[in-house]
Amino acid sequence: DGGITQSPKYLFRKEGQNVTLSCEQNLNHDAMYWYRQDPGQGLRLIYYSQIVNDFQKGDIAEGYSVSREKKESFPLTVTSAQKNPTAFYLCASIRDSGAGQPQHFGDGTRLSIL
Amino acid sequence: AQSVTQLDSHVSVSEGTPVLLRCNYSSSYSPSLFWYVQHPNKGLQLLLKYTSAATLVKGINGFEAEFKKSETSFHLTKPSAHMSDAAEYFCVVSSGYSTLTFGKGTMLLVSP
Repeated sequence: DGGITQSPKYLFRKEGQNVTLSCEQNLNHDAMYWYRQDPGQGLRLIYYSQIVNDFQKGDIAEGYSVSREKKESFPLTVTSAQKNPTAFYLCASIRDSGAGQPQHFGDGTRLSIL
Repeated sequence: AQSVTQLDSHVSVSEGTPVLLRCNYSSSYSPSLFWYVQHPNKGLQLLLKYTSAATLVKGINGFEAEFKKSETSFHLTKPSAHMSDAAEYFCVVSSGYSTLTFGKGTMLLVSP
């Protein structure tokens, strides 16, 4: 079955540490997205990528970095510059980035501070 | 610019009674609208979508939504709630490059 796999499901970060969240999709989708979810806040866009080797900042990109070296992979690094990283992180993808297409979501990674 | 307002942060119903989750949107373009459901510690699952075809959209699990352009609304309804419907629901608008704008969510509580 095709889908989006996020790993790990739970992740803990120490002060001053960078951590990387994995997102892999086998849907052959062109565009991929990272969202952050906080209680009562809905989802906020961190970064997105419409094609390989290209990505754009979303609304809350500060303290995060991404890469898109392969179509199926879009890892997110939470750097030490992100002072409040505790949240639920969701990765999504879409077949093409034309308007009107729903996004498919992974099951998320919950990041906490030690 | 686009925005979404979910009018209720929590909705409580009894099993077997109707469900109404309210959503208003604004968009500079002809929008695409979606409802997603999220169970605890899970990703979002698409319930239904509106993309300028029929204004009454039927989705999975008995849910439906009606697009009302004059009221800029896209309310989600279900005739009879089940315990398994208890979850958080998100109304979402898309216009241009499929960047989505999410509402803040409505938590649906279903009591026996």
